Amino acid sequence: EAQVTQNPRYLITVTGKKLTVTCSQNMNHEYMSWYRQDPGLGLRQIYYSMNVEVTDKGDVPEGYKVSRKEKRNFPLILESPSPNQTSLYFCASSPQGDRASEAFFGQGTRLTVV
Amino acid sequence: SQQGEEDPQALSIQEGENATMNCSYKTSINNLQWYRQNSGRGLVHLILIRSNEREKHSGRLRVTLDTSKKSSSLLITASRAADTASYFCATGRSFQKLVFGTGTRLLVSP
Repeated sequence: EAQVTQNPRYLITVTGKKLTVTCSQNMNHEYMSWYRQDPGLGLRQIYYSMNVEVTDKGDVPEGYKVSRKEKRNFPLILESPSPNQTSLYFCASSPQGDRASEAFFGQGTRLTVV
Repeated sequence: SQQGEEDPQALSIQEGENATMNCSYKTSINNLQWYRQNSGRGLVHLILIRSNEREKHSGRLRVTLDTSKKSSSLLITASRAADTASYFCATGRSFQKLVFGTGTRLLVSP
């Protein structure tokens, strides 16, 4: 089944403790993105990647890192999480970047930083 | 940067009724997409309409696009309880520049 898989689905952590949220897609898509979703603010893009080793900042990159060492994986790294990073996070992928096409989303990771 | 604004923010209807939600955007686009999100879960793509199209259908969904007014509407006909979800419009010339609105929460009561 074609899908984008995020792990974990739920995570509660303490301020300053490094964490990684994994994202993996099995559709051989070149393009991947991370979003955060907060009430009243909709989805905001954190980082995106156009191919292996090619990443760029989205609208709200502060406090986050990403890597794209393999085509299928696009982990989101919070080196020193803070409470304002408490949010619902989504990974997405798409077969095409330059032309608009459907984005496939993971099921989300609900992160709480205390 | 937020591009789309959905209206209304929330909509409550009975099963069998039609649901209409609107999206307004600010800058020129080459396409507009609609997505559905069931409570707290991932977004699911519904339909994509290109800037040279005025109307598009997919099952019980009908999307219109008016580029002169910078607006789009999503009509769900004969709503079902399973249509209860949040609906988002998204614009962007490319996947990496896809920008989502804040969404319309639709509640369909049996």
